[in-house]
Amino acid sequence: EVQLLESGGGLVQPGGSLRLSCAASGFSFRNYAMMWVRQAPGKGLEWVSGISGSGDSTYYADSVKGRFTISRGNSKNTMSLQMNSLRAEDTAIYYCARREGVIKSSAMDYWGQGTLVTVSS
Amino acid sequence: QSVLTQPPSVSGAPGQRVTISCTGSSSNIGAGYDVHWYQQLPGTAPKLLIYDNKNRPSGVPDRFSGSKSGTSASLAITGLQAEDEADYYCQSYGSNLSGWVFGGGTKLTVL
Repeated sequence: EVQLLESGGGLVQPGGSLRLSCAASGFSFRNYAMMWVRQAPGKGLEWVSGISGSGDSTYYADSVKGRFTISRGNSKNTMSLQMNSLRAEDTAIYYCARREGVIKSSAMDYWGQGTLVTVSS
Repeated sequence: QSVLTQPPSVSGAPGQRVTISCTGSSSNIGAGYDVHWYQQLPGTAPKLLIYDNKNRPSGVPDRFSGSKSGTSASLAITGLQAEDEADYYCQSYGSNLSGWVFGGGTKLTVL
């Protein structure tokens, strides 16, 4: 059974940093690209970042480029999102998701339960 | 403002059919990229409902169907049930460096 479990969320002050993790199980992790998608309170879904199966290619939304860094450890079946210079507008539930195919436009077929990040003083 | 445009809300009575539209542009849906649909029940994570425009993952009832034409896509739900009350999101890929794009979401209310 595919499982994705996020952790690391919490309350942080504006300008602060936080590191999110996603632990994967039930599939061959290194064979799948992974994504971070966030959802601000009462709002819709917003893609944040993505990383290829090998970790060689990374992608960022303009809203987080230069502040967030995605990485993965295939030996430990984990993915991380280092978030720096956090802003109030980064407040959201952060979901990790698996991209099901090899092409970029493939669907996100499994999602974690999410971890809440609150940026506030 | 989302790259893909969805109606904020739709509603229907039990047993009826509803459709949710998703309008993009020549940079995403119109560029030939597939459209996917997700269902988000209240207080839960999104779940893949339709992939590659019209395909249903295992376990998704055939009451749900998807289609795509030009720069738009649609999700149809027939035989509406109370358990279908949820938020629905379309998603595609943007060729103009916008990456993975979502619609703003549509709240389905079963009357």
